[in-house]
Amino acid sequence: AQSVTQLDSHVSVSEGTPVLLRCNYSSSYSPSLFWYVQHPNKGLQLLLKYTSAATLVKGINGFEAEFKKSETSFHLTKPSAHMSDAAEYFCVVSDLTSGTYKYIFGTGTRLKVLA
Amino acid sequence: AAGVIQSPRHLIKEKRETATLKCYPIPRHDTVYWYQQGPGQDPQFLISFYEKMQSDKGSIPDRFSAQQFSDYHSELNMSSLELGDSALYFCASSATSAAGGSTDTQYFGPGTRLTVL
Repeated sequence: AQSVTQLDSHVSVSEGTPVLLRCNYSSSYSPSLFWYVQHPNKGLQLLLKYTSAATLVKGINGFEAEFKKSETSFHLTKPSAHMSDAAEYFCVVSDLTSGTYKYIFGTGTRLKVLA
Repeated sequence: AAGVIQSPRHLIKEKRETATLKCYPIPRHDTVYWYQQGPGQDPQFLISFYEKMQSDKGSIPDRFSAQQFSDYHSELNMSSLELGDSALYFCASSATSAAGGSTDTQYFGPGTRLTVL
């Protein structure tokens, strides 16, 4: 069965410092992995996705993630945090069933950015 | 670019009432997914449809039903509402792959916030 584990429920960083949000996955085959961001009372916005074309994936708003098969990890990083990055971040693995892909979400990491 | 549309955005119901949530996928997307996100929780998969047929089912209560119509919009019907049904309900859509079936990237609507009193 597919699953993802987000290792931190809360992360606090100062504005202008690097961001690291950690995600480990479990999959019986080469997974499709995603990071989504959810701002308060808003929907889910796709940040980036990994689908085996390249291990380093660049997303929107300066975020990127590196797929490491040996560590079963897909951590999300950003070199310099901005106040607007404060939100909930979800690591997601897709699970193929009957021709469609349901999403399995991690429990989320709430990012706080301090001025 | 057109996005996924959900209506209504907010809904308040009493216990034991019924509710219908609607989802309009991105044009030319033929797969629709429904998710439920309780307060402080991660979204949980409820049900999905591909080409108007149910394709997968998750932790959806028997009191809930859903369908996808000929224009690919979908409706989630919820009966005998309980306090625990209060949540944010997301719809997502995905496109068809060249080989048939869905692509794996889902695009989410803004959600419907259901409050059961």
